[in-house]
Amino acid sequence: GIQVEQSPPDLILQEGANSTLRCNFSDSVNNLQWFHQNPWGQLINLFYIPSGTKQNGRLSATTVATERYSLLYISSSQTTDSGVYFCAVMNSGGSNYKLTFGKGTLLTVNP
Amino acid sequence: GAVVSQHPSRVICKSGTSVKIECRSLDFQATTMFWYRQFPKQSLMLMATSNEGSKATYEQGVEKDKFLINHASLTLSTLTVTSAHPEDSSFYICSAYVTGGPEAFFGQGTRLTVV
Repeated sequence: GIQVEQSPPDLILQEGANSTLRCNFSDSVNNLQWFHQNPWGQLINLFYIPSGTKQNGRLSATTVATERYSLLYISSSQTTDSGVYFCAVMNSGGSNYKLTFGKGTLLTVNP
Repeated sequence: GAVVSQHPSRVICKSGTSVKIECRSLDFQATTMFWYRQFPKQSLMLMATSNEGSKATYEQGVEKDKFLINHASLTLSTLTVTSAHPEDSSFYICSAYVTGGPEAFFGQGTRLTVV
């Protein structure tokens, strides 16, 4: 099946810093989503971005499908940004809307 | 975005008993829902695909008799952990797509502890 690798596994920032999270995938995809899992376990939808660039406030994401990677940018980080960020993809050749998750990036933003 | 609600959010049960977890799509209909399991500090692993009006499809290695799934309506899927054991303790999360939509939406998750 498709492989999803996220880097870095852990990231510690001071409040106000910027960061870039990366997601590499091993095959063509027709769905790529970024999620933030908060400390209570809830997965928050950040972006649906199988290709191109999107921005939402301090967050933006870029997916280069031909090169099989996606980047999530967090600017001016806040303590509330802490949590695990997951990238999840759906293989173009797959079926039934199954998402494969990466292992996540644990982000800690210190005040 | 669409809202998926899970209940309960936390449950503690005794070893040998069964526990039912509900997943509801609140503002849309979902012919297909998905159940994931997450161990501490690990990623989400797909357990099964729940299909309204038909049998669930289980991923390799998931015991279908242990994890019973019922998708009785277009807005409700249930996961029953039967004869629970401590090793079944985990975080269980469901998801659903708005029909024809590209994004998956997730419930709040259920933390199951078997003692």
